[in-house]
Amino acid sequence: DAMVIQNPRYQVTQFGKPVTLSCSQTLNHNVMYWYQQKSSQAPKLLFHYYDKDFNNEADTPDNFQSRRPNTSFCFLDIRSPGLGDAAMYLCATSRGGETDTQYFGPGTRLTVL
Amino acid sequence: GQNIDQPTEMTATEGAIVQINCTYQTSGFNGLFWYQQHAGEAPTFLSYNVLDGLEEKGRFSSFLSRSKGYSYLLLKELQMKDSASYLCAVRDGDYKLSFGAGTTVTVRA
Repeated sequence: DAMVIQNPRYQVTQFGKPVTLSCSQTLNHNVMYWYQQKSSQAPKLLFHYYDKDFNNEADTPDNFQSRRPNTSFCFLDIRSPGLGDAAMYLCATSRGGETDTQYFGPGTRLTVL
Repeated sequence: GQNIDQPTEMTATEGAIVQINCTYQTSGFNGLFWYQQHAGEAPTFLSYNVLDGLEEKGRFSSFLSRSKGYSYLLLKELQMKDSASYLCAVRDGDYKLSFGAGTTVTVRA
């Protein structure tokens, strides 16, 4: 039944040690999004893919990269995590039309030691 | 830029009604969404308004006034499981969303 799947649900990494978070979807949606959400704050869009087209938000740090090898999978790479990168990372998908809804995965809680 | 405001916290009693307001100032408007987010979990879709008026869906209703840049989410017959954060999000033209910081609703017995 799961539509948007994120692994792992909890990730612990060390300061400066690269980490990859994964997202997969069974909805065959065109668009996949990565959000960062810190405690009691709004989800902040980092970037999104419309099919294979990558769209970076202007204020997303270079430390964050993404890959979408196929329709179903999308990865978030954090090259050198800092303490400020500890957050919940949410993956979402949508068809890509102007009236459609975004569906979220359960999120990955990242801890940086 | 986008500016989406909603109260930080609200408390209500089980069985009561609570209204969560959201005001927005965006460069464009192509729909307003409400999401529910339980602590440590992902947001789940509640409602979508693109035209003025009230949309009712069971115990939850959402209202939109585009001329006032205003929406509210109405939760009726509150249950303990309704304790969560409620996020207002605006689509300003394409398919991306801008979120408010969320309103934490606490339901007390």
